[in-house]
Amino acid sequence: AQSVAQPEDQVNVAEGNPLTVKCTYSVSGNPYLFWYVQYPNRGLQFLLKYITGDNLVKGSYGFEAEFNKSQTSFHLKKPSALVSDSALYFCAVRDEYTGGFKTIFGAGTRLFVKA
Amino acid sequence: DTGVSQDPRHKITKRGQNVTFRCDPISEHNRLYWYRQTLGQGPEFLTYFQNEAQLEKSRLLSDRFSAERPKGSFSTLEIQRTEQGDSAMYLCASSSVITGTGAGNTIYFGEGSWLTVV
Repeated sequence: AQSVAQPEDQVNVAEGNPLTVKCTYSVSGNPYLFWYVQYPNRGLQFLLKYITGDNLVKGSYGFEAEFNKSQTSFHLKKPSALVSDSALYFCAVRDEYTGGFKTIFGAGTRLFVKA
Repeated sequence: DTGVSQDPRHKITKRGQNVTFRCDPISEHNRLYWYRQTLGQGPEFLTYFQNEAQLEKSRLLSDRFSAERPKGSFSTLEIQRTEQGDSAMYLCASSSVITGTGAGNTIYFGEGSWLTVV
């Protein structure tokens, strides 16, 4: 069965500093990995995904994520955080072979960017 | 706006009443998903449709829950005899199987429908 873990409930970072939001996953087949962001009382917005190819994936709003197969990780990164990046971030995984088209989400990590 | 549309955005109902939520997916998307999200948690998969066929249902979807997508376009999620534990945000999402690899297609979410059972 597929699963995803976000080990940090909250990440605090100062504006202008780099940020990292961690994600690890477990699947039987090849993973399809996604990051979404959620603002208060809103739905989830897609940021980026890894399907195959280059391990460094670039997405919306200056975010990027690095796929590491040996560590089964897909950490979200941004070189310089903005106050407006403060939100709830979800990592998600879909198993290529056994998960059908069901995407499983982590519990989320709340990012606070302080001015 | 051609995104996923959900209605109503908020619903307050008394315990025991029935509620229905509607979802209109992105027009060319043939896959539609329902998720439930409670405070402090990530979205939990409930069910998904490909066109009008309901292909997978979670164990979370008890007998009181029913989802339909009769013409392969919009979908409804009905909760009968609501309980306080049903209070959550119900998220609809859609994706296309046409472009890219099937399992890698991105799912796009609507703004959600908040349910409060009192």
